Amino acid sequence: EVQLVESGGGLVQPGRSLRLSCAASGFTFDDYAMHWVRQAPGKGLEWVSGISWNSGSIGYADSVKGRFTISRDNAKNSLYLQMNSLRAEDTALYYCAKGGYGEWEQTRGAFDIWGQGTMVTVSS
Amino acid sequence: SYVLTQPPSVSVAPGQTARITCGGNNIGSKSVHWYQQKPGQAPVLVVYDDSDRPSGIPERFSGSNSGNTATLTISRVEAGDEADYYCQVWDSSSFYVFGTGTKVTVL
Repeated sequence: EVQLVESGGGLVQPGRSLRLSCAASGFTFDDYAMHWVRQAPGKGLEWVSGISWNSGSIGYADSVKGRFTISRDNAKNSLYLQMNSLRAEDTALYYCAKGGYGEWEQTRGAFDIWGQGTMVTVSS
Repeated sequence: SYVLTQPPSVSVAPGQTARITCGGNNIGSKSVHWYQQKPGQAPVLVVYDDSDRPSGIPERFSGSNSGNTATLTISRVEAGDEADYYCQVWDSSSFYVFGTGTKVTVL
């Protein structure tokens, strides 16, 4: 069964850091781009970051650039998101999502598998 | 930045057809993907590349894309189709862009 399971969310104070993890199974993880997508409470979906199959190329939304770092460990079938300098507006449910084959930038890119998400709350 | 605009809500009676629009500048030149999100659940891809369906998605779900509007059509609507629906495209300056979302209510 193809599955993505996120972990690492929680309550954190503004300005602090948090690291999210996503464990993948059921597909050849190191063939595919992977992404993080978030959803603030009661709001829509927002793409956060993507990484290519071999970590050779990475992209970020302007809202997180310079504060968040995406990475992956293909030996462990795992995706990560290091979040620094957190703000109240980063409060959201963070989803790990499987992208297309290879590169994270794809003109026909869609997200065909999603995890159940991990909640991040930034509040003092 | 590239913007995708959807109607906030669509209401439809069971057995009827629901049409959800996604407006964007020259969206017809892009590949459009659609996601269904039921309350408390993760999004599910229901249509990709304008009109293709992933395995396991009923034929009742179909899509089209032309000009400045893409459309997701749900035929013979069932109570279980009640959900939020999002369109999504790739844009070279905004990267992955999601629409504003449409809540489908089955009357």
